[in-house]
Amino acid sequence: EAGVTQFPSHSVIEKGQTVTLRCDPISGHDNLYWYRRVMGKEIKFLLHFVKESKQDESGMPNNRFLAERTGGTYSTLKVQPAELEDSGVYFCASSQPGTGGISSGYTFGSGTRLTVV
Amino acid sequence: GDSVTQMEGPVTLSEEAFLTINCTYTATGYPSLFWYVQYPGEGLQLLLKATKADDKGSNKGFEATYRKETTSFHLEKGSVQVSDSAVYFCARGSGGSNYKLTFGKGTLLTVNP
Repeated sequence: EAGVTQFPSHSVIEKGQTVTLRCDPISGHDNLYWYRRVMGKEIKFLLHFVKESKQDESGMPNNRFLAERTGGTYSTLKVQPAELEDSGVYFCASSQPGTGGISSGYTFGSGTRLTVV
Repeated sequence: GDSVTQMEGPVTLSEEAFLTINCTYTATGYPSLFWYVQYPGEGLQLLLKATKADDKGSNKGFEATYRKETTSFHLEKGSVQVSDSAVYFCARGSGGSNYKLTFGKGTLLTVNP
């Protein structure tokens, strides 16, 4: 089966610009997660979708970040306007319906490396 | 809150050396514990897991035992290979149904021939 696909793989933007990251989960995976790793720090949870609904967005840093999952398929994460501290690697993951994912483990994408200059 | 503390690297070993990467977690709840690995240019992959105390997770020669008494989940491998060079992340399940992961900072392992 195809894995979790993220694009772009790299993005360099200027402070104040807008960037949209996309994640295509594995087909049939209702659970979709966004995580972020800022340089040298832990990978941190951002939010969790079940289908198109946000189940937990407690990790979203502030209102400059907007995640959507229209139709319960792919998801986008928009940063507007981007700040220097938003630089990092953004990971998406998906898991099968109903389990929450932990017991079987997520499938992660390769990540999008965002650099804000 | 939930947290994971893992040995910071980088760690550099020669091929066939013994590997230990230490990991401890906060003892809130009854978390599942995981080791993830990220090979260069790839995404995070689940390496092994343990869901309750005294469970041992194992995969590809790597092992880790869930130690509730010491709140630890150290990763070990008896003989590393060059192909094991990667970043290793310890993680615990968090949230009411363990649906989200709390990660350590990651440990970069380099294995030289």
